[in-house]
Amino acid sequence: GAVVSQHPSWVICKSGTSVKIECRSLDFQATTMFWYRQFPKQSLMLMATSNEGSKATYEQGVEKDKFLINHASLTLSTLTVTSAHPEDSSFYICSARGWGADYNEQFFGPGTRLTVL
Amino acid sequence: AQSVTQLDSQVPVFEEAPVELRCNYSSSVSVYLFWYVQYPNQGLQLLLKYLSGSTLVKGINGFEAEFNKSQTSFHLRKPSVHISDTAEYFCAVSRNTGNQFYFGTGTSLTVIP
Repeated sequence: GAVVSQHPSWVICKSGTSVKIECRSLDFQATTMFWYRQFPKQSLMLMATSNEGSKATYEQGVEKDKFLINHASLTLSTLTVTSAHPEDSSFYICSARGWGADYNEQFFGPGTRLTVL
Repeated sequence: AQSVTQLDSQVPVFEEAPVELRCNYSSSVSVYLFWYVQYPNQGLQLLLKYLSGSTLVKGINGFEAEFNKSQTSFHLRKPSVHISDTAEYFCAVSRNTGNQFYFGTGTSLTVIP
């Protein structure tokens, strides 16, 4: 099956610093990648959708200058949380769809736990 | 727009008992339906999906779900649960191929020994 990885799996940082999270499709070409945020005991909230080579489309209420998304290749998308604050602490999950995998499905990464002190 | 309702936020069930997790959706167009399982501090794993064809869908780990178009439901069932089934379960719909997924709020299944 199609595999999506995320790195790091968890990160702790100081308030005011920036953190980059990578999402990779390991065995297929991800034409579209999605970034979700999940608070404890809650569902996934879509933050943005990115198509390879294009600017990301952000959901309403998501600050695009704070959550920078880059999808420069068919196997890699990055989410950078700029000037992180404790309220940005959350579980971030990416998913991907594309060629070489079931196009009807999104394949999810294992998630990244971000804790901002 | 699509929306997904998972009626039960928590479902406790004894080991080897059957379980049903309910999911209802609203949509003015045809949808694809999915059930995912999430273990603590992990991503989502696909249990099963309905795209078309037979309304009874069988997935991994002994789970199955039935698509009922008239009731706009996609309930998840397992005839006999195990301790290892304790997890969070999410129902999701998408309007068409790989488009935005709309997730329900999740159902926490706890299997009691």
